[in-house]
Amino acid sequence: KNEVEQSPQNLTAQEGEFITINCSYSVGISALHWLQQHPGGGIVSLFMLSSGKKKHGRLIATINIQEKHSSLHITASHPRDSAVYICAVRETSGSRLTFGEGTQLTVNP
Amino acid sequence: DTEVTQTPKHLVMGMTNKKSLKCEQHMGHRAMYWYKQKAKKPPELMFVYSYEKLSINESVPSRFSPECPNSSLLNLHLHALQPEDSALYLCASSQAPLLGTQYFGPGTRLLVL
Repeated sequence: KNEVEQSPQNLTAQEGEFITINCSYSVGISALHWLQQHPGGGIVSLFMLSSGKKKHGRLIATINIQEKHSSLHITASHPRDSAVYICAVRETSGSRLTFGEGTQLTVNP
Repeated sequence: DTEVTQTPKHLVMGMTNKKSLKCEQHMGHRAMYWYKQKAKKPPELMFVYSYEKLSINESVPSRFSPECPNSSLLNLHLHALQPEDSALYLCASSQAPLLGTQYFGPGTRLLVL
């Protein structure tokens, strides 16, 4: 079992839909990151969370430390949101990021 | 400036070639990272430089040789690579070693023939 599990693996939505991507982890963490990777490779850091909720534009990230779960929400989705979304955690006992397998999001016009 | 730049964007090399990947950041970050990413897989950490010194080497084969000439530059020297080394190589930096947000470069897509 991976230490970081994401669901779903693949997600297809219509433009305008509300999207949720989930991340569960099994270790104690000091921070959780949500990353976005477009075709072609470059990775953009969207959020770093250690508690609560953060919002940036149409993106919202939440984390529940007790339940070891985080969600990334996209409101009013747009085709340009199509990308792979990766959850990564920094363990309290470790020093490196542990990545989930990623969620491939496709938003159709 | 929150940009990490990487050159080249694409690289094709034979198994006997020697080449180098370059990474640069001007954010004053004191930690820089090399990751390897295979298709449809998450990035795998290769090396971490902390204050220009190698602090983590994730048991990477010696045909990959990192170098940090100064706090803004990070190189990855490649020699005698294998076809299975073909991947996207990503550089990242952060303000402090292994803390805070990591800023990623666009990557170098490497093909070893």
